Amino acid sequence: KNEVEQSPQNLTAQEGEFITINCSYSVGISALHWLQQHPGGGIVSLFMLSSGKKKHGRLIATINIQEKHSSLHITASHPRDSAVYICAVRSLMNYGGSQGNLIFGKGTKLSVKP
Amino acid sequence: DGGITQSPKYLFRKEGQNVTLSCEQNLNHDAMYWYRQDPGQGLRLIYYSQIVNDFQKGDIAEGYSVSREKKESFPLTVTSAQKNPTAFYLCASSMSKNTGELFFGEGSRLTVL
Repeated sequence: KNEVEQSPQNLTAQEGEFITINCSYSVGISALHWLQQHPGGGIVSLFMLSSGKKKHGRLIATINIQEKHSSLHITASHPRDSAVYICAVRSLMNYGGSQGNLIFGKGTKLSVKP
Repeated sequence: DGGITQSPKYLFRKEGQNVTLSCEQNLNHDAMYWYRQDPGQGLRLIYYSQIVNDFQKGDIAEGYSVSREKKESFPLTVTSAQKNPTAFYLCASSMSKNTGELFFGEGSRLTVL
């Protein structure tokens, strides 16, 4: 079982739709990151969360520490939102040889059609 | 503008050759990382560095080497010992290792011919 699970793996939406991408994790964490990977491969950090909710433009990220779950919402989706969205958690436990290393989900590929 | 620059963007290598991927940052970040991305998998950590002249192995360090002689630079060498080097490589940095937002480069795609 992967420590970080994202759903869905692939998502196709019509322009204007409200989109939700989910991330569940099984380890104790100090922070959770939502990242956006463009078709060319570059990655941009969208949010870093340790509790509650954050909003930036049409993007909203929430986290429930007790349930070990986070969601990324996109309101009024647009074709330029098409990308792979990646959830990553900063583990409290020793992982990859060092405490505090990031564990990445496999990503959710979003395609927004005009 | 501040950011991370990776080069080259595309690289082809013959089997048995070593290649070096460049990563430079002007964000004044202490921590730098190298990740490998393969289709259908999450990013995996190759090496990381918390401070100049110090670096640590990640999950998949075998066949790779790094150096951190300057704060701004963290080059990755893919050696001939790496059995399956064809992949997308991403460099990242953060203010310090266990905290802070991550900043990524645009990536380098290595193909072994």
